[in-house]
Amino acid sequence: DAKTTQPPSMDCAEGRAANLPCNHSTISGNEYVYWYRQIHSQGPQYIIHGLKNNETNEMASLIITEDRKSSTLILPHATLRDTAVYYCIVRASDYKLSFGAGTTVTVRA
Amino acid sequence: ETGVTQTPRHLVMGMTNKKSLKCEQHLGHNAMYWYKQSAKKPLELMFVYNFKEQTENNSVPSRFSPECPNSSHLFLHLHTLQPEDSALYLCASSQGGTGKETQYFGPGTRLLVL
Repeated sequence: DAKTTQPPSMDCAEGRAANLPCNHSTISGNEYVYWYRQIHSQGPQYIIHGLKNNETNEMASLIITEDRKSSTLILPHATLRDTAVYYCIVRASDYKLSFGAGTTVTVRA
Repeated sequence: ETGVTQTPRHLVMGMTNKKSLKCEQHLGHNAMYWYKQSAKKPLELMFVYNFKEQTENNSVPSRFSPECPNSSHLFLHLHTLQPEDSALYLCASSQGGTGKETQYFGPGTRLLVL
């Protein structure tokens, strides 16, 4: 699976949109971009995934650049409960989910 | 609530004890997974079961013994563990076991081996 690069941390104001970047410049054509988050000492929570097109669900939006070398996860209205470590993963058909260091997002009141 | 439950949520055991971790999924999935997450280490895949059959064992020591009696239940039997086995043990499930499907995680069992 391709490697991803994320900023180690970011702060966000409550009620504002949080834009989390991820670089995956070596992504292959059949690899999906997945986002998970993990609140301290809990299991990872699936957020969203996509291949080429932008995706939106009840939790977030995923914007993938046309060349697919980077993506942005958007939390439209961050709340204090969104404070977590966010992981960007690219995978094709491997059982193993490889979480890197992720981005520690702190939402402040 | 992801539809994957794990019990117990916390466990403290001595090195000579035998204990079991339980995972149950209510999502109608047919693949289940055990992962280990240690402090400051990447997530490690331990075992994969697809339609109750073990399809992957990532060189896990024999003191960890998985059991999958049906597609909804997964156990991890523990015996003679070492202190370095202390970690968060995560269960996940997915629809299908080709490796392409989205995996949904349980809350984990925090294990401390004394």
